[in-house]
Amino acid sequence: EVQLVQSGAEVKKPGESLKISCKGSGYSFTSYWIGWVRQMPGKGLEWMGIIYPGDSDTRYSPSFQGQVTISADKSISTAYLQWSSLKASDTAMYYCARVYGDYYYMDVWGKGTTVTVSS
Amino acid sequence: SYELTQPPSVSVSPGQTARITCSGDALPKQYAYWYQQKPGQAPVLVIYKDSERPSGIPERFSGSSSGTTVTLTISGVQAEDEADYYCQSADSSGTYPNVVFGGGTKLTVL
Repeated sequence: EVQLVQSGAEVKKPGESLKISCKGSGYSFTSYWIGWVRQMPGKGLEWMGIIYPGDSDTRYSPSFQGQVTISADKSISTAYLQWSSLKASDTAMYYCARVYGDYYYMDVWGKGTTVTVSS
Repeated sequence: SYELTQPPSVSVSPGQTARITCSGDALPKQYAYWYQQKPGQAPVLVIYKDSERPSGIPERFSGSSSGTTVTLTISGVQAEDEADYYCQSADSSGTYPNVVFGGGTKLTVL
């Protein structure tokens, strides 16, 4: 069974750093892009960026370029999303998803990681 | 970048047909995809490449495309279909893939 297992909920203070993870299993992790999607409380889905674990090719949405860093460790089939200095506005649910081929749609999703940033 | 526009809400009675539209200038050139998101859950892909249905998705879910509008149709709506539905498209012709989601449509089963 294809699965993406995300790390647990996080509560942080403004200015702190954070790295959340997404571990893939049941498929060739290096053969598919992994994407990250933000969902702020009560709002819709926003595409943040993608990474190809096979060669770490990374693409960002212009809205998130410079705000977050996407990385992957193919040796442990895990992708990451990290912040160097969190803001209250980063409070959201973050989903990772397997991105299918050249069409850039998401066929398998993780259950999400809730990030709460509050002083 | 371009936008995808969905109605905020659609309401239907059980057994009726629900149609959710998504409009965007790039849709004649790009495929559309549809996701279902129930409260407290992750999105689930229900339609890909305009009209293809992933395995495990009930046959009552179908998709179609006409010009700048794509439509998700749910025939014989059931109470369990109450959810938010998002369309998505992607333009990969540039340096980076421009992935866009519609604003989402809340389907209420009366």
